[in-house]
Amino acid sequence: GESVGLHLPTLSVQEGDNSIINCAYSNSASDYFIWYKQESGKGPQFIIDIRSNMDKRQGQRVTVLLNKTVKHLSLQIAATQPGDSAVYFCAENTPGNTGKLIFGQGTTLQVKP
Amino acid sequence: ETGVTQSPTHLIKTRGQQVTLRCSSQSGHNTVSWYQQALGQGPQFIFQYYREEENGRGNFPPRFSGLQFPNYSSELNVNALELDDSALYLCASSLTMADTQYFGPGTRLTVL
Repeated sequence: GESVGLHLPTLSVQEGDNSIINCAYSNSASDYFIWYKQESGKGPQFIIDIRSNMDKRQGQRVTVLLNKTVKHLSLQIAATQPGDSAVYFCAENTPGNTGKLIFGQGTTLQVKP
Repeated sequence: ETGVTQSPTHLIKTRGQQVTLRCSSQSGHNTVSWYQQALGQGPQFIFQYYREEENGRGNFPPRFSGLQFPNYSSELNVNALELDDSALYLCASSLTMADTQYFGPGTRLTVL
């Protein structure tokens, strides 16, 4: 069935270190991928997106990597800060299902001071 | 802040009742999508509205229905509430159907 999965439910890192959050997706036809950050009691916040014609995209302190061969997506956060502590979701969209985002279970990022 | 607002923030209902949740989209956005997020899970797509028409629906029963108004705000209606309907209901707006979706803060629905 449709699913977007994350490899680890919880990731704990030291403040200042780099974080890598992974995501495996199941539909090889998916052409658009998004990372969201969700803090407790809030709605998901857009971080960065990437389309299938790219394999890397950089934002401010964040980088998304897409490996279509193995259907893998990752989010890299540089110099992780306490404010980065949240649940991170990857989501995918497929042609023909425009607007229907499929979310994974989420990875909780804990930043230790 | 995304500019997407939802009301109410919290709601408590009993089984069998009906509920209406509201969403105001970000200025300039003509598309609204609704999601259900159970505790500890990722959001699940309910349906999307584009220019007042339903554009795609997830695996939810017909008792979940919606509307979009000429100003692109939207309502989610749930009839005959069940205990499993307890969740965070999220609304997301986008410029058009295929664009980035920006989420509101959600409405926490508890069904007793």
